[in-house]
Amino acid sequence: DTGVSQDPRHKITKRGQNVTFRCDPISEHNRLYWYRQTLGQGPEFLTYFQNEAQLEKSRLLSDRFSAERPKGSFSTLEIQRTEQGDSAMYLCASSLVEGLNTEAFFGQGTRLTVV
Amino acid sequence: GNSVTQMEGPVTLSEEAFLTINCTYTATGYPSLFWYVQYPGEGLQLLLKATKADDKGSNKGFEATYRKETTSFHLEKGSVQVSDSAVYFCALHGTGNQFYFGTGTSLTVIP
Repeated sequence: DTGVSQDPRHKITKRGQNVTFRCDPISEHNRLYWYRQTLGQGPEFLTYFQNEAQLEKSRLLSDRFSAERPKGSFSTLEIQRTEQGDSAMYLCASSLVEGLNTEAFFGQGTRLTVV
Repeated sequence: GNSVTQMEGPVTLSEEAFLTINCTYTATGYPSLFWYVQYPGEGLQLLLKATKADDKGSNKGFEATYRKETTSFHLEKGSVQVSDSAVYFCALHGTGNQFYFGTGTSLTVIP
């Protein structure tokens, strides 16, 4: 297993365009998280899935943001009508939640630049 | 609510110096605590963790002890190396099933 994989690593888009990012978690992991990180800050929680169920999405930044995890495998994060303020690193993480074990493994992130 | 506060950086140390990065937290219930490290242009890597009070997490010479009485999880290393230069994030996982991160502390180790 090569860990959490995110694609693309970098994305430059024009303001107003839609973008979609993909995350492939570690194969046996049942939980998947999306975070956003801006320069000089810690990761900011967006949403998470337990298997295919999206259990928390109130922290998505606006209704332009949406995420899916069909069949509980890979996940996608879509941003519609991008704005310059959406420029950030988008991080995906996965974990196998068993008892007290909740450690998450992060991908290398997708860096979005909106011009 | 849940939150994490880290000492602000940047921190610059000479090689072989002693490192402490302070971290305190606020949480409901009994969170698990973590330190993650981020190298330039990379995602976060788990450095160490502790799941209950008085547990000590350790890895690669780094240590941190879960102190419930002081709500702290300070990161320490006895002798830092140039390769330890990175940004370090303290985090907790508690109620709400999400990770809460501090703002990160940048460490630069000079030869």
